[in-house]
Amino acid sequence: DAGVIQSPRHEVTEMGQEVTLRCKPISGHDYLFWYRQTMMRGLELLIYFNNNVPIDDSGMPEDRFSAKMPNASFSTLKIQPSEPRDSAVYFCASSGGATNQPQHFGDGTRLSIL
Amino acid sequence: QQQVKQSPQSLIVQKGGISIINCAYENTAFDYFPWYQQFPGKGPALLIAIRPDVSEKKEGRFTISFNKSAKQFSLHIMDSQPGDSATYFCAARGPYSGAGSYQLTFGKGTKLSVIP
Repeated sequence: DAGVIQSPRHEVTEMGQEVTLRCKPISGHDYLFWYRQTMMRGLELLIYFNNNVPIDDSGMPEDRFSAKMPNASFSTLKIQPSEPRDSAVYFCASSGGATNQPQHFGDGTRLSIL
Repeated sequence: QQQVKQSPQSLIVQKGGISIINCAYENTAFDYFPWYQQFPGKGPALLIAIRPDVSEKKEGRFTISFNKSAKQFSLHIMDSQPGDSATYFCAARGPYSGAGSYQLTFGKGTKLSVIP
């Protein structure tokens, strides 16, 4: 069975460019989470959705970051314009709605902003 | 404010030894405490989890010990193997509150190296 699928796996771009990260959650999961992982700050929750609706975006660092979930099988995290300090590994995770359902993580997108 | 503090940051254990990773939390409303294992280039994967109404949970070589009064919990890996070398994260989840219920707060991780 397919897990959470993220693309691209690696992204290298120059400062100021728009970056779009993509995520396909596990079919049937109604929660989707976006995390950022850095050495300094560890795993940080950026935003999460329930049934395609954003529930809490308080972790989004700046207005340069935006996330959408147009349908149950696709979500995007966009950074515009990108800055070197945005360099990190970005993870998408999904989970079912029942209590104690674990979050299943994708393998992440390693983003480098030059 | 870091709500889950994890230690040590790194750990080196001999093959066959016991690996112990500790976490402490502040919010008494947390109701679910999972541990995640992450290998290089991969996303974190759920390893084992516990609820605060039990003091210990064991799955194979992995055991969580939970001390509710001290607001601490720990992961013990018995008979540690080189294949256990990974980064381990503890986490805590807030109480159910409708749509805002499923956030996890993660510790900063422990990089475990098991040497032959």
